[in-house]
Amino acid sequence: GIQVEQSPPDLILQEGANSTLRCNFSDSVNNLQWFHQNPWGQLINLFYIPSGTKQNGRLSATTVATERYSLLYISSSQTTDSGVYFCAVERTLRTSYDKVIFGPGTSLSVIP
Amino acid sequence: DAEITQSPRHKITETGRQVTLACHQTWNHNNMFWYRQDLGHGLRLIHYSYGVQDTNKGEVSDGYSVSRSNTEDLPLTLESAASSQTSVYFCASSEYRSSYEQYFGPGTRLTVT
Repeated sequence: GIQVEQSPPDLILQEGANSTLRCNFSDSVNNLQWFHQNPWGQLINLFYIPSGTKQNGRLSATTVATERYSLLYISSSQTTDSGVYFCAVERTLRTSYDKVIFGPGTSLSVIP
Repeated sequence: DAEITQSPRHKITETGRQVTLACHQTWNHNNMFWYRQDLGHGLRLIHYSYGVQDTNKGEVSDGYSVSRSNTEDLPLTLESAASSQTSVYFCASSEYRSSYEQYFGPGTRLTVT
């Protein structure tokens, strides 16, 4: 099946620093999303980005589908950005509906 | 406000027992999903439903079942709980069949002893 890798697995940032998180996937996909799981466990959608670039405030994401990777940029990080960031990919199979595969996540800690 | 809730939030059970985890959403979404989250694996899809009476197996469906008798609820049943099913379980719903704009519940932490 499709493999999803994320790097780095762990990241510690000083408040105000910028960072780039990467998601690599092993096969073509129809959809890709980025999620944030806060320290209390709540999962929130960040971006739906099967291709191209999107921005939302201090966060932006770019997916290059032909090269099978996506990047999540966090600028001017804040302590509230702490948590785990997941990418999830989907592909529509011929004999089945969409199947969602999550990466293992990048754990981010932003320190004051 | 619309929401998605899970109950119980924490449960401890013994090996071999049947366990049911509840998921209730008031978004009126047709599409609902169950995931488990384990260290080092991210989230893995267990079962999903695209509407009443529709259920589908996900990546890790063995030992789990779901039923969809109405739009609001998708209970997850562990037929005979095993220690390997100790995990955090998340329910989600979406207006779309894909994971696009899925809304997640708060999670249920299940421990099988």
